[in-house]
Amino acid sequence: QKEVEQNSGPLSVPEGAIASLNCTYSDRGSQSFFWYRQYSGKSPELIMFIYSNGDKEDGRFTAQLNKASQYVSLLIRDSQPSDSATYLCALRDTGKLIFGQGTTLQVKP
Amino acid sequence: EPEVTQTPSHQVTQMGQEVILRCVPISNHLYFYWYRQILGQKVEFLVSFYNNEISEKSEIFDDQFSVERPDGSNFTLKIRSTKLEDSAMYFCASSEPGQGENEQFFGPGTRLTVL
Repeated sequence: QKEVEQNSGPLSVPEGAIASLNCTYSDRGSQSFFWYRQYSGKSPELIMFIYSNGDKEDGRFTAQLNKASQYVSLLIRDSQPSDSATYLCALRDTGKLIFGQGTTLQVKP
Repeated sequence: EPEVTQTPSHQVTQMGQEVILRCVPISNHLYFYWYRQILGQKVEFLVSFYNNEISEKSEIFDDQFSVERPDGSNFTLKIRSTKLEDSAMYFCASSEPGQGENEQFFGPGTRLTVL
């Protein structure tokens, strides 16, 4: 059973700071990873995907993948109160997504 | 921007009743999924659907569940005899042809409450 593990938080950062969200996964063969943002009562919204080791940047977001350590992270630079949400890490397994529990991020003005 | 839509947004039903949740995927997408999220828990895969048949289903997707694409636009999830534990948010998602690494777009969800 492939699993994705995340610290549920909450992670609290001040506005303007860098937020660092992490997840680990159980299956070494997993190839594709996704970060979704979910506001309370809403559906998951894709932020980024990453398939290769290293960093991938998109605006204020940077995803990092380390397959040797089975570790994925998401950095949010210049955090804003509107970034306050639950961040879901997911991996793709034969088409379906397997999600972690999610980490709640609170950005305080 | 095209989006996945779902109806109803909230469905309240009595235990043992049948419910049908409806989804309209993005028009050129060919892969369809249902996920559910029990309050406070992780998003869980239920079923994937491609070329008018189920591609994969989870252990949750037992004989009480079925999916159908009755026409060229709708994708439905039916729960034949609802249980209390079926209360959850149900999300439909779709993705483009050439599955590969294409992202899945989620609809807004249907909140199902079983009394």
